[in-house]
Amino acid sequence: KNQVEQSPQSLIILEGKNCTLQCNYTVSPFSNLRWYKQDTGRGPVSLTIMTFSENTKSNGRYTATLDADTKQSSLHITASQLSDSASYICVVRGGNYGQNFVFGPGTRLSVLP
Amino acid sequence: DSGVTQTPKHLITATGQRVTLRCSPRSGDLSVYWYQQSLDQGLQFLIQYYNGEERAKGNILERFSAQQFPDLHSELNLSSLELGDSALYFCASSAGQVYNEQFFGPGTRLTVL
Repeated sequence: KNQVEQSPQSLIILEGKNCTLQCNYTVSPFSNLRWYKQDTGRGPVSLTIMTFSENTKSNGRYTATLDADTKQSSLHITASQLSDSASYICVVRGGNYGQNFVFGPGTRLSVLP
Repeated sequence: DSGVTQTPKHLITATGQRVTLRCSPRSGDLSVYWYQQSLDQGLQFLIQYYNGEERAKGNILERFSAQQFPDLHSELNLSSLELGDSALYFCASSAGQVYNEQFFGPGTRLTVL
């Protein structure tokens, strides 16, 4: 069964600290993996997109890694800011024609001053 | 502002009714995606259109249908509405079919009473 799991479910950190969010998936065949940031009540915003051959991709203070062998991805946030408080969602696109989208439940990050 | 527009912003209707949600993609984008986000189920992919043709189908109910018009705007039709259809409905657009970044609209909040 195609599934995406994320951990932790929620995380509280202090401003300026780093954190890492995890994503494990069982989607096959794999097409690409995306990380999104979503503020409450707003549309998700794309952070990174990674294909099978990419191990690391950065977008400012966000760095995503992908291990296609173990089917794991992580999102590392450096020097967190209050505005990083949001839900972070891992999405895996798969299927022979990229027809499957499987969403993780998200990690709720709270950055405190 | 992602460049994707959705109307209406809010919609309140009764069970059994039919509604139409509208989405205008970013200029130049050929793909349109529809997603549903409810409190208990998170984000779910409904359907994707590319240049007027259905490209991928997710967990879209038979009571729901969508289309993409020649000017590339899209409409999502929801009929025989049930209480459980209350959710945020997001539209996203991208330039290509599978690997491109998706840009999400602000969403339409549907409340079924």
